[in-house]
Amino acid sequence: KNEVEQSPQNLTAQEGEFITINCSYSVGISALHWLQQHPGGGIVSLFMLSSGKKKHGRLIATINIQEKHSSLHITASHPRDSAVYICAVMKDSNYQLIWGAGTKLIIKP
Amino acid sequence: GAVVSQHPSRVICKSGTSVKIECRSLDFQATTMFWYRQFPKQSLMLMATSNEGSKATYEQGVEKDKFLINHASLTLSTLTVTSAHPEDSSFYICSAYPGGWNYGYTFGSGTRLTVV
Repeated sequence: KNEVEQSPQNLTAQEGEFITINCSYSVGISALHWLQQHPGGGIVSLFMLSSGKKKHGRLIATINIQEKHSSLHITASHPRDSAVYICAVMKDSNYQLIWGAGTKLIIKP
Repeated sequence: GAVVSQHPSRVICKSGTSVKIECRSLDFQATTMFWYRQFPKQSLMLMATSNEGSKATYEQGVEKDKFLINHASLTLSTLTVTSAHPEDSSFYICSAYPGGWNYGYTFGSGTRLTVV
């Protein structure tokens, strides 16, 4: 079993819909990251969380340390949000990331 | 802030030649950089951890002599693919953890290597 599991693997939605992507992990972590990878390959770090909730524009990330679960929400989704969203956890002090498999999101106009 | 500049973004080379990829941290000092490889429709695979002033730590299955990593300064790490073969064609991306930055890791823009 992978240490970081994401769901769903693929998600297609209509513009304007509320999007939720889930991430569960099975190891102790110091922080959890949500990342966005566009079709060209570039990766952008969206959030780094160790507790609670963070918000940036239409993006919201939450984490429940006890349940070892995090969610990424996108409100009022837009076609430009189409990308692969990746959950990754920082497991120990050498700063290495353990990656989820990613969720491919497609927002249709 | 916390930008990593990676170049080249694309490179095509002939089999048997070597290719160098550079990653520079522009506004912070990166004592550690990570090098990843990504095949189409797959997740990133960590190749090695590059530490300034010391030897890189390679992941199991990654050939040290094939993928030479040099981290000679706090702002520059390089990955050289030696004697490239078509199977080395892939997307290579570097990453660093600036520490104290609210968004965690920062990534280079990636290098798409095609070996013909």
